[in-house]
Amino acid sequence: DTQVTQSPSSLSASVGDRVTITCQASEHMSVYVNWYQQKPGTTPKLVIYDASNLETGAPSRFSGSGSGTDFSFTITSLQPEDAATYYCQQYASLPFSFGQGTKLEIK
Amino acid sequence: QVHLQQWGAGLLKPSETLSLTCAVYGGSFSDHHWSWIRQPPGKGLEWIGEIKNDGRSTYSPSLKSRVSILRYASTSQITLKLRSVTAADAAVYYCANLRGRSLWGQGTLVTVSS
Repeated sequence: DTQVTQSPSSLSASVGDRVTITCQASEHMSVYVNWYQQKPGTTPKLVIYDASNLETGAPSRFSGSGSGTDFSFTITSLQPEDAATYYCQQYASLPFSFGQGTKLEIK
Repeated sequence: QVHLQQWGAGLLKPSETLSLTCAVYGGSFSDHHWSWIRQPPGKGLEWIGEIKNDGRSTYSPSLKSRVSILRYASTSQITLKLRSVTAADAAVYYCANLRGRSLWGQGTLVTVSS
């Protein structure tokens, strides 16, 4: 089974900062990785699909990159509304798996 | 626009069977494979299983002995059954298509209490 290791588990940054979250897979995943944003009490919201494609309606300051086993999600120019927990998820092979989550706090 | 609506019993007693349904509106039910995911309070997301459009299911190894996912093409619905629930199964349960541009249901909170 593919294990996905997401880091860091938490992050604190200031408005305007650039932040990066990484996910590393135990097996090759091609580009079959999604990234989600989840705010308390709400359904996870897709922001990046197929590793690097920005979902319609997601802010252009969000981006994703990577292929194979190493993936990253970046927010350039952090905004207050970006405070949330972010998850990566692989769908290259069953059973699917999610990263442990990164809780992003705005200072 | 595809929309997922889910429902089911939200309060169970230990040893009962959890039963949830997810309906897909707006077309393309048969074009996708459908998953169930859960999230215990304050914790991360856990994949439960997927049913492909040919009816084949794959389950999480940790839940495989207790779970079943079925699909009903005539009504564009999928169901989740989880047998012999305990307090550890209390969570928000979601249905979703997790491949590519994923779509999620609104979530159903399931509480387990005697």
